[in-house]
Amino acid sequence: AQSVTQLDSQVPVFEEAPVELRCNYSSSVSVYLFWYVQYPNQGLQLLLKYLSGSTLVKGINGFEAEFNKSQTSFHLRKPSVHISDTAEYFCAVTDNYGQNFVFGPGTRLSVLP
Amino acid sequence: DAMVIQNPRYQVTQFGKPVTLSCSQTLNHNVMYWYQQKSSQAPKLLFHYYDKDFNNEADTPDNFQSRRPNTSFCFLDIRSPGLGDAAMYLCATSSRGRNEKLFFGSGTQLSVL
Repeated sequence: AQSVTQLDSQVPVFEEAPVELRCNYSSSVSVYLFWYVQYPNQGLQLLLKYLSGSTLVKGINGFEAEFNKSQTSFHLRKPSVHISDTAEYFCAVTDNYGQNFVFGPGTRLSVLP
Repeated sequence: DAMVIQNPRYQVTQFGKPVTLSCSQTLNHNVMYWYQQKSSQAPKLLFHYYDKDFNNEADTPDNFQSRRPNTSFCFLDIRSPGLGDAAMYLCATSSRGRNEKLFFGSGTQLSVL
C-alpha cells in the first residue's frame, strides 16, 4: 500500500516570492506521482504528474516538481507566486495499475499581498 | 465544457433521511470513483467502479452505497445520513491502463440538519 506525507499543513508566502510545498511518499512498488490543486468549493485540478522519464516535471500555472527516488520525495515549486495561487494543494500517488489513488493531507498555500 | 458533472452542487438533507448524489461523465472512462472530503482534509476514497465491477474500500461504512447503471452515470446513496456525513463528495473518473490522472467533478456539498 502507498502513503503520502505533506509535512506543511499551511504555507504563507508573500506575492512574487518563491515557494516549495513538500511531499514524501512510501510504497513497496513503482509509483506514479501527482500534484492537484483545489480552489475553494471546487473539485481538484491536476497541476502536474510524474509517470517516468525526466525527474523534473513542469505543469500548469508555472509550477514544477522534481521526483527524487532516493529521498522518496516529489516537492512542488514555483519561482514566483501570485495571489491567485492561493489554494489547497494535494500530493497524490498511485501504483502502476492506476486504480488506487492515495492523497496526502494537503497544504494550504496562502499568498499575501 | 464540463466533463464530469455532479448534481446538485449543494444538498441539504435531514438526519436519517436517505439522499442520493449523482455524477455523470462525457469522457467514456471505465473507472468512476467517489471520494468524501471533510473540511481541511484530504479526499478519502469510498469506493470505485471498474466498468461494472464494484470495489468497496474496507473502511467505508455500510451506510454508503453506490450504483452505476451505465458507463456515464454513477450514484452515491447514503441510506441514513448522520451529522458526521456532512462533507464534500467528489466524483472522479479515469481511464484504466493509462495512469494519467483523475478527472474530478466540482463536488456536491452535503449538509445534514
